Amino acid sequence: GQSLEQPSEVTAVEGAIVQINCTYQTSGFYGLSWYQQHDGGAPTFLSYNGLDGLEETGRFSSFLSRSDSYGYLLLQELQMKDSASYFCAVNTGGFKTIFGAGTRLFVKA
Amino acid sequence: DGGITQSPKYLFRKEGQNVTLSCEQNLNHDAMYWYRQDPGQGLRLIYYSQIVNDFQKGDIAEGYSVSREKKESFPLTVTSAQKNPTAFYLCASKQGPWSYNEQFFGPGTRLTVL
Repeated sequence: GQSLEQPSEVTAVEGAIVQINCTYQTSGFYGLSWYQQHDGGAPTFLSYNGLDGLEETGRFSSFLSRSDSYGYLLLQELQMKDSASYFCAVNTGGFKTIFGAGTRLFVKA
Repeated sequence: DGGITQSPKYLFRKEGQNVTLSCEQNLNHDAMYWYRQDPGQGLRLIYYSQIVNDFQKGDIAEGYSVSREKKESFPLTVTSAQKNPTAFYLCASKQGPWSYNEQFFGPGTRLTVL
């Protein structure tokens, strides 16, 4: 079967750094994406990794190691508004994408 | 403003009734998707369409049906055969098959079957 594993919950303090891991097992792999979803809202795209290495976008960075079938999302200088669910997603070929179950991030003051 | 619209935002239906959820996009995207999300869960793919008049089953297609008669529209019908239809339904679109293309999501429809 195909699966994406990520922690169900992470808690961090405002101003800190947090890393959300994602390991995947899929029949095809054409890139790892990350999405953010606030309660009751729609997921919004954060970042994409097609090749190994680190991609940085402001306070957010994302890393991919294809040999380890592993990636992570790094959030720096955490703010209260970062409290949300974060989903990793794998493009398995063409138009099809599989999403992980999501990691709920709680940011405390 | 380009985007995806879903209507209605909240929908209540009696058990045994079919219901159709609307999804429209004006982004000129080729692909459209329907996902189901249950509380505290991830997104599970119901159906997707790469082009007009063509669609593919996702991982949980049983009890659902779709049509793609226009590029802009991809309605989802939740039939009475769907055993547990109460959920949050998200529609998305994507420009092309390329991996780096992000999916754009609509605001969702929360369906409650009484």
